[in-house]
Amino acid sequence: GAGVSQSPRYKVAKRGQDVALRCDPISGHVSLFWYQQALGQGPEFLTYFQNEAQLDKSGLPSDRFFAERPEGSVSTLKIQRTQQEDSAVYLCASSPRMNTEAFFGQGTRLTVV
Amino acid sequence: GESVGLHLPTLSVQEGDNSIINCAYSNSASDYFIWYKQESGKGPQFIIDIRSNMDKRQGQRVTVLLNKTVKHLSLQIAATQPGDSAVYFCAEIGGAQKLVFGQGTRLTINP
Repeated sequence: GAGVSQSPRYKVAKRGQDVALRCDPISGHVSLFWYQQALGQGPEFLTYFQNEAQLDKSGLPSDRFFAERPEGSVSTLKIQRTQQEDSAVYLCASSPRMNTEAFFGQGTRLTVV
Repeated sequence: GESVGLHLPTLSVQEGDNSIINCAYSNSASDYFIWYKQESGKGPQFIIDIRSNMDKRQGQRVTVLLNKTVKHLSLQIAATQPGDSAVYFCAEIGGAQKLVFGQGTRLTINP
C-alpha cells in the first residue's frame, strides 16, 4: 500500500467494552509506533515495536492497554474495559529503520460513551 | 525528562508572507528533529527533518533552523499559501528512539 493504514477510522464503544484497533504499516518498515492524541493536544507516545519485539511500552497509560505485532508487520492495539478518558485519536506510525522519519496513518477516533 | 514546547499556540499570517514557527526542546541528548503538519482529521504529515550535526536544512519552500546552544528549533515557510493552514508540531528523537511531540502551533492564513 501507499501508506500506513488504520482501521476502523471511527469507533464508538460503550464504557466497559473491549476494543481492538488495527494498524497496517508501510511494507518493509521495521519500526512501528502507537500514539494517543487528545483533542487540541500533540500526540503522546504509547508504545514502540522493532519488528515483532515491543521495545518500549512506557507510554501505555494502564494495564488495560495492550499492543502486539506478532509477525513484525500488522499491529493491534487493544483496550480492555474502556473508560471515557480513553476517548482520543489513536495514531499509528511506521519507519523504515531506527532514528528516521516516521510516517503516520489517518488515525482511529475512539469515542467511549 | 524529555519535553518539547512551542512558544506560540497560534500564528496568523497574510497570504504570501513568510511564516516562522518556533519550538524549544529540553533534552540536550536529542539528536534528530522533525517538523510535522497536521490538517484536521488527518494524521501528522512529515515536512522536514534535521539532525543535530546540522544547523540548517532547506526543502521546497521550507527551512528548518536548529540552535543547539539555546535548544531552539524553527520552521520557516516561504510565501505562505492557504494550503499551509494546519497545526504544526516539532518532534524530537533522543536515546529512547521514540518521537516526543510538542503541543503544536495552529497556522492560519489570512487572504
